[in-house]
Amino acid sequence: SQQGEEDPQALSIQEGENATMNCSYKTSINNLQWYRQNSGRGLVHLILIRSNEREKHSGRLRVTLDTSKKSSSLLITASRAADTASYFCATDGNDYKLSFGAGTTVTVRA
Amino acid sequence: GAVVSQHPSRVICKSGTSVKIECRSLDFQATTMFWYRQFPKQSLMLMATSNEGSKATYEQGVEKDKFLINHASLTLSTLTVTSAHPEDSSFYICSASLPTGELFFGEGSRLTVL
Repeated sequence: SQQGEEDPQALSIQEGENATMNCSYKTSINNLQWYRQNSGRGLVHLILIRSNEREKHSGRLRVTLDTSKKSSSLLITASRAADTASYFCATDGNDYKLSFGAGTTVTVRA
Repeated sequence: GAVVSQHPSRVICKSGTSVKIECRSLDFQATTMFWYRQFPKQSLMLMATSNEGSKATYEQGVEKDKFLINHASLTLSTLTVTSAHPEDSSFYICSASLPTGELFFGEGSRLTVL
């Protein structure tokens, strides 16, 4: 079942701007991951943050995790046209089964 | 990173026929593979968990006789959509996990049932 909810559903920004999207979940987790999906393609793993971590960086990506609020955010800095995609958060428990959020569709305008 | 290959990437079939989709881990052995279904502009819904050499575990609401999953080896899992109908048209994605739990996804297979 789908446990995460993402906000906003869609985001349109100008190239060079930052994009922020949020993910909320309902049950306790081991890890939270963010994935990118280009239209009609598979998923690409972006970053994993463990439940005992609060913030993680990878290149232009910054992820935060607040387990008390059961929420996470993904920030993409200095966005590029190639960042246009759908972004999903996914949480997992002990069995490695991922439960995906609804996704945020990001459009970066040149 | 590890590579997961999914085949075919697109398939069109007539209503009532069966379609097989393959998911292969190309450079690693995957004891566990997962099958997801994604409707347009929606998220991925887990259909089943496939463990090598044993029966797949299906999520609630997924018909196991409709979606046959076989995980015959550590590098291959197959999903067969039996007696496909137009409502089965969807994007099917597999993923394979390393023992560490890290997941790698296939590129997906778009099924269109006429």
